[in-house]
Amino acid sequence: AQSVTQPDIHITVSEGASLELRCNYSYGATPYLFWYVQSPGQGLQLLLKYFSGDTLVQGIKGFEAEFKRSQSSFNLRKPSVHWSDAAEYFCAVHTGRRALTFGSGTRLQVQP
Amino acid sequence: DGGITQSPKYLFRKEGQNVTLSCEQNLNHDAMYWYRQDPGQGLRLIYYSQIVNDFQKGDIAEGYSVSREKKESFPLTVTSAQKNPTAFYLCASSADRGPSYEQYFGPGTRLTVT
Repeated sequence: AQSVTQPDIHITVSEGASLELRCNYSYGATPYLFWYVQSPGQGLQLLLKYFSGDTLVQGIKGFEAEFKRSQSSFNLRKPSVHWSDAAEYFCAVHTGRRALTFGSGTRLQVQP
Repeated sequence: DGGITQSPKYLFRKEGQNVTLSCEQNLNHDAMYWYRQDPGQGLRLIYYSQIVNDFQKGDIAEGYSVSREKKESFPLTVTSAQKNPTAFYLCASSADRGPSYEQYFGPGTRLTVT
């Protein structure tokens, strides 16, 4: 069965600093990959997705992610973090069978 | 505006009582989903429905039940058989079940059972 690992439970960065959130997946073929963001007590919003083609995908709010097949990774990046980016971020995969499988999430804190 | 509504936002129940969480969408989506979120565990799939009058168990269906009598509605009942019902419940929908179709999420219902 597919699985998703987000090794960082909690990350703190300073406002204006760059950000990279890690995501590794386990699946025999190339899955469909997603990053979602969740503000406290809210639903999830899709940041970006990868299906095929260019391995660097751009999303909303200035985020991007890079798919690396050799490392089974799909890390999320942002060059300059804003205070409003503080939230929880979830990586997810969809193998075409049922629904999304989510990682356990990374909580981002932004220091002024 | 199109979207997904979940009500209520906060729900409190006594142990041993069944409780039904509402999920309505006006996006004309065929597929709907229920996820449970616990701290540090991400989201886990409870049930999903590809079409009206059809639904399938997810990874943690025990102690839950659903119905899909209308395209726009997918209520979730948390029964007294669910051992740890206190959690944040999220409903989602997508145009189709396939992976290329984005899932849209509702704002969630936080259920507390004491």
